[in-house]
Amino acid sequence: EIAITQSPATLSVSPGERATLSCRASENIGSNVAWYRQKPGQAPRLLIYGASTRATGITSRFSGSGSGTDFTLAISSLQSDDFGLYYCQVYNHWPPWTFGQGTKVEIK
Amino acid sequence: EVQLVESGGGLVQPGGSLRLSCVASELISSTSWMHWVRQVPGKGLAWVSRVNIPGTSRSYADSVRGRFIISRDKDTNSLYLQMNSLRADDTGVYFCATSDATMVPDSWGRGALVTVSS
Repeated sequence: EIAITQSPATLSVSPGERATLSCRASENIGSNVAWYRQKPGQAPRLLIYGASTRATGITSRFSGSGSGTDFTLAISSLQSDDFGLYYCQVYNHWPPWTFGQGTKVEIK
Repeated sequence: EVQLVESGGGLVQPGGSLRLSCVASELISSTSWMHWVRQVPGKGLAWVSRVNIPGTSRSYADSVRGRFIISRDKDTNSLYLQMNSLRADDTGVYFCATSDATMVPDSWGRGALVTVSS
């Protein structure tokens, strides 16, 4: 079973700055990675899939990269709506969906 | 984007049963899959189960296999999760979600809270 490690656990960023989040898989997963943002009381919102493809309606300030075992989500020029909990997800392995433990992006 | 709405959550005693429902706003592609994912309050996300749209293939997480049953009703465009022998660690928000044939995620519902407690 694949294990996912997200880092850091918490990222403090000032509005307008860039944030970089990391996700590492325990084995080679190709590009089968998605990223989500979740706010309290809401469902996760899909941001990126296929490691680097933005989901419908997602601003170009979000960019994903990586393949194999190491992946990155970058958020440029952070805005107030960007703060929240970010999850990395591996798909199309076993289990079909596996999630990291999350990175909290908070206002500095 | 398909809208998904879950219902059927609530408070149930350990050992009890509960049935969750999820209704989709439009027909889902026959090559897609539907999933249940749960989130323990204040913690992360965990995949629970999936079924293909024809309803011919199902799979479960080890933690729920033998206790939960996932099913589909194509006539009502609905997804169900029958949860039996519930335990305290089944407590959480249960989300309904869709994916394509290669498990690329797509739509998510807003979730239904299940609380297992005496």
